[in-house]
Amino acid sequence: DTEVTQTPKHLVMGMTNKKSLKCEQHMGHRAMYWYKQKAKKPPELMFVYSYEKLSINESVPSRFSPECPNSSLLNLHLHALQPEDSALYLCASSQARGQGEDTQYFGPGTRLTVL
Amino acid sequence: AQKITQTQPGMFVQEKEAVTLDCTYDTSDPSYGLFWYKQPSSGEMIFLIYQGSYDQQNATEGRYSLNFQKARKSANLVISASQLGDSAMYFCAMRALTGRRALTFGSGTRLQVQP
Repeated sequence: DTEVTQTPKHLVMGMTNKKSLKCEQHMGHRAMYWYKQKAKKPPELMFVYSYEKLSINESVPSRFSPECPNSSLLNLHLHALQPEDSALYLCASSQARGQGEDTQYFGPGTRLTVL
Repeated sequence: AQKITQTQPGMFVQEKEAVTLDCTYDTSDPSYGLFWYKQPSSGEMIFLIYQGSYDQQNATEGRYSLNFQKARKSANLVISASQLGDSAMYFCAMRALTGRRALTFGSGTRLQVQP
């Protein structure tokens, strides 16, 4: 089973709202990722958690706040977003092997619209 | 630094025919992995196939095969017997096999399968 789930599928929020995106996997993976994808562009890495610790932050603005409560869950808290933050947000997970393939498996994404 | 180049923004193929999607890469890492993902209009990134830089044989997964030419730094995806459901965006990606877990994606190729 290579399933990563994400909720909600769609989210519309105002610039003053606070919302959260949720990602869950039950594959025993120990690395989890957030990507942002604008239309007709490849995904861009935002954050990486490895063994529940933040290991990569790609200079993401502080209005995006990641959280990894346990090895199966990954949240992305959103606050005071801008219209240009509207995008598809993809979560992924991998085994976190130190070496080797370590394929990332993606969820279906959350389509975010900021008004 | 790593770079992935996909020079075909769009491709057309007739149903049941084979198609090759091009991918070239550049990296200074001595060992690396190459991945292909499919992204239908629904948004989910679906893992298709993996090739390690140290693998002597080209990877195959069902109708997908990877034409890996290390000296030319190319990792082309071959889809045999195209189906209408193959219509999607295809991304080539790579990562170093040690250290940083980030995937570097190419710009993608949109494949349209015609009946």
